[in-house]
Amino acid sequence: EAQVTQNPRYLITVTGKKLTVTCSQNMNHEYMSWYRQDPGLGLRQIYYSMNVEVTDKGDVPEGYKVSRKEKRNFPLILESPSPNQTSLYFCASSLTGGLSGNTIYFGEGSWLTVV
Amino acid sequence: GQNIDQPTEMTATEGAIVQINCTYQTSGFNGLFWYQQHAGEAPTFLSYNVLDGLEEKGRFSSFLSRSKGYSYLLLKELQMKDSASYLCAVTMYSSASKIIFGSGTRLSIRP
Repeated sequence: EAQVTQNPRYLITVTGKKLTVTCSQNMNHEYMSWYRQDPGLGLRQIYYSMNVEVTDKGDVPEGYKVSRKEKRNFPLILESPSPNQTSLYFCASSLTGGLSGNTIYFGEGSWLTVV
Repeated sequence: GQNIDQPTEMTATEGAIVQINCTYQTSGFNGLFWYQQHAGEAPTFLSYNVLDGLEEKGRFSSFLSRSKGYSYLLLKELQMKDSASYLCAVTMYSSASKIIFGSGTRLSIRP
């Protein structure tokens, strides 16, 4: 079954404590991306990756890091979380990104609260 | 700049038809997605339009006019389970990585 799996699904953490949200896909997709979703703002792209070792900033990259050492995994790292990073996070993947209308598959989301 | 506009909220009656509009201003437009998202869940794919015209998939249809920067999603025979947010997203041919989502339209279905 085609899946994008992200963990943890729910997390409450404290300001400044480093955390990593993992993301894994089983479809051999080249393109992976992280979004955050906040009320009234829709989905905003944080970082994306077109292939292994190729990553780039999206629209809201400040305070986040990513890595793509393997094709299937794309972890999101918050080195020093702050309360304004409290949000719902989605990992997504597709065959080759937005071109050709390749379906974008989303993970189930990670609810992150920073206190 | 890039901009996508959708109504924030809509309400419709079970069994009726509703049209959700999306207008966009982007450079290098390639195509447009529609996604459905139930509260607290992941978005799921509904349609992708790259050519002008109407594409029908069961109760859902999506229309695109490239010259007008306009799309709509048409939902027929509304069911209570159609209560959800509907997101339009545009892709650019200049960048396969760039997929810009609108803020979404929250649709409520009343009996």
